[in-house]
Parts: sequence; C-alpha cells; structure tokens
Amino acid sequence: SQQGEEDPQALSIQEGENATMNCSYKTSINNLQWYRQNSGRGLVHLILIRSNEREKHSGRLRVTLDTSKKSSSLLITASRAADTASYFCATDVQGAQKLVFGQGTRLTINP
Amino acid sequence: GAVVSQHPSRVICKSGTSVKIECRSLDFQATTMFWYRQFPKQSLMLMATSNEGSKATYEQGVEKDKFLINHASLTLSTLTVTSAHPEDSSFYICSALGQGPLNYGYTFGSGTRLTVV
Repeated sequence: SQQGEEDPQALSIQEGENATMNCSYKTSINNLQWYRQNSGRGLVHLILIRSNEREKHSGRLRVTLDTSKKSSSLLITASRAADTASYFCATDVQGAQKLVFGQGTRLTINP
Repeated sequence: GAVVSQHPSRVICKSGTSVKIECRSLDFQATTMFWYRQFPKQSLMLMATSNEGSKATYEQGVEKDKFLINHASLTLSTLTVTSAHPEDSSFYICSALGQGPLNYGYTFGSGTRLTVV
C-alpha cells in the first residue's frame, strides 16, 4: 500500500541550483524518512525527522515536516550531477510498525 | 552500523520454478523483517511483514501462497517466489527492524533483481 504522493514525479535542473521535493502522507506517523536510490540499486538513507520535529538539516539537505498538513519537503542545495537519482519519502506508520514509501521523485541534475 | 545482507543480488529463473531470496541481519537481531517489491520506475511496495517465529502478515493483494516468507531466526528471513512467472520479474528488497538499546531502526538490504524467463 502506498502512503501518499510525492511531487514532482520528475524534476530536471541545472547543476548548482536547488532542488525541492514534496511528500504528502495519510496517517499518523512516528517519523518520516528520506531515501535516495540510484538506478537499479539499493536504498541510501538520507535523513530522518521525528513527528515532533519541524525542520532538520544534514549537509546540503534540509527537511521540513508539517504534521498538521501531513506533508514534508526535502531541499537539496547546490545540486551536483552525482545527486541524480530517485528520492523517496517513507513514513514510519504509528501503531503499525512498518515503513511505507511514497511514489518518489526522479531528479536529474544537468551538468 | 547495522548491516543487512541480501542474497542473491541477481537471479534468472525459468517460468514455473521457485526462487528463494535470503535476508540476513549481520550485526543485530531483527524481530521484524519486511519484504518490498519494486517494478521499474515505480516505488517500493510493501509485500509483507514477518516476525520471528510467527506467520507473516501480507499486504492486501499479495498472494501468500505464491510468496512464501519464513522468519525462522532473529537474523534470517527468506522469501520464496513459487511457480514464478515473467510478471514476477521485479526488484525485491528486504528490510530489518533492529531492536535493543542501540535502536538501529529500519535497515535495508541491497536488493535482488529477479528475472523470470
């Protein structure tokens, strides 16, 4: 089962620009996580934000969480060609002990 | 940090045969493991949740007789795709939920690409 939507489904920007991806979900959560996946490869965990947090930073990544709107955003600043990948949000569903993924955003960074 | 080993990374099998995929937590105990399936250019779909020593809980629409899950120990879960068909070709990923004071959280294996010919 899918938790929600991510938008945009695909995003293409120039190297050096910032990339913003959004995620919406449907249920109460313990936390929300963002992952990166290069084509045909496994998942790389990027960042986790707990339900009582509103913003978190890690290097060039900034994540926000609005539990009232059931939405999150991932901002990648100063993008690099190596950031080209698919990005997924995943919600740790409260009371269910499972991680449910959004539909993902395919990000392309053009050199 | 926590490591989950998934094997094999790639497998090709003939239609009608069965394939087993293993998922091991190498340095922590995982009372709960999860199996996901991912079709090309799509997201990860949760197939089932397995708890050590008990029957797996399958998500709606997933055939439990076709996708057999065994979680016999705290470090090993297996997914067997029975009577595989070309439409079962997909990327299968396991995840283990660590328990204990270090609270590893969800750790993912590197995935298995299954091709049924």
